[in-house]
Amino acid sequence: DAKTTQPPSMDCAEGRAANLPCNHSTISGNEYVYWYRQIHSQGPQYIIHGLKNNETNEMASLIITEDRKSSTLILPHATLRDTAVYYCIVRVANGQNFVFGPGTRLSVLP
Amino acid sequence: EAEVAQSPRYKITEKSQAVAFWCDPISGHATLYWYRQILGQGPELLVQFQDESVVDDSQLPKDRFSAERLKGVDSTLKIQPAELGDSAMYLCASSQGQFNSPLHFGNGTRLTVT
Repeated sequence: DAKTTQPPSMDCAEGRAANLPCNHSTISGNEYVYWYRQIHSQGPQYIIHGLKNNETNEMASLIITEDRKSSTLILPHATLRDTAVYYCIVRVANGQNFVFGPGTRLSVLP
Repeated sequence: EAEVAQSPRYKITEKSQAVAFWCDPISGHATLYWYRQILGQGPELLVQFQDESVVDDSQLPKDRFSAERLKGVDSTLKIQPAELGDSAMYLCASSQGQFNSPLHFGNGTRLTVT
C-alpha cells in the first residue's frame, strides 16, 4: 500500500503557483520523498526528490516539513501544460519498488 | 535526454491470444521494472529486474504472465493467454539502481483485449 495521502484533485489558475500537499506521517528516517507527474497517455515523469532538506530544480521546489511528516510540491508559475496527475511517493534508498497511490489530479485553468 | 523505449505503443488483441511487449531501458541502467496501470489508478509493480535477475515478481500473475531480461539490457513481458481484465497500460521503467536514483519511465503500451 502507498504510504502517502494526497487530495484527489486541485485547481490552479494559469500563471499562479500550484502547491500540492502530501502527507506521509509514517515516514521513516531513511525514506526519501519522490514526486512524479503523469500527463494523459504518457508514462510518469520524474520531477524531484528529497530526504529532509528543501530541494529545487528547473521544474519545481519540494518543501519538506521539519518533522518530515508532510511535504509540498510547488510549481512556481503553473501553465496549462502542467495539467496532470501528480504522485507523491516515499521509498527507502536502494529499497523496495516505488508504490504509487491514486495521486492528485491538478487542473490548470486559463 | 536519454529515454526508455517501449513498443508497440498500442496493441489490440482478442482474448486467449498471446501478446508481448518490449522495453529498452536507458543505457547503463541496471534496474528495470514493469508496471501495469489500470485506467484511473496509479501504476502497480509487476516485476523488477536487477541486471538479468528477477528481484521481485510477487505481483506477477505467473500462470499467464512471464518476463525476461536475458542479457541484462532489454526486456520482454508476455501474456498468454490474454484475458479481458488485462486491458491496461503496461509501463517499463529503469534506474541506475544506486542509492536514491529515481525511476525513469517509458510512455507505455496501451493494451486492449477484446
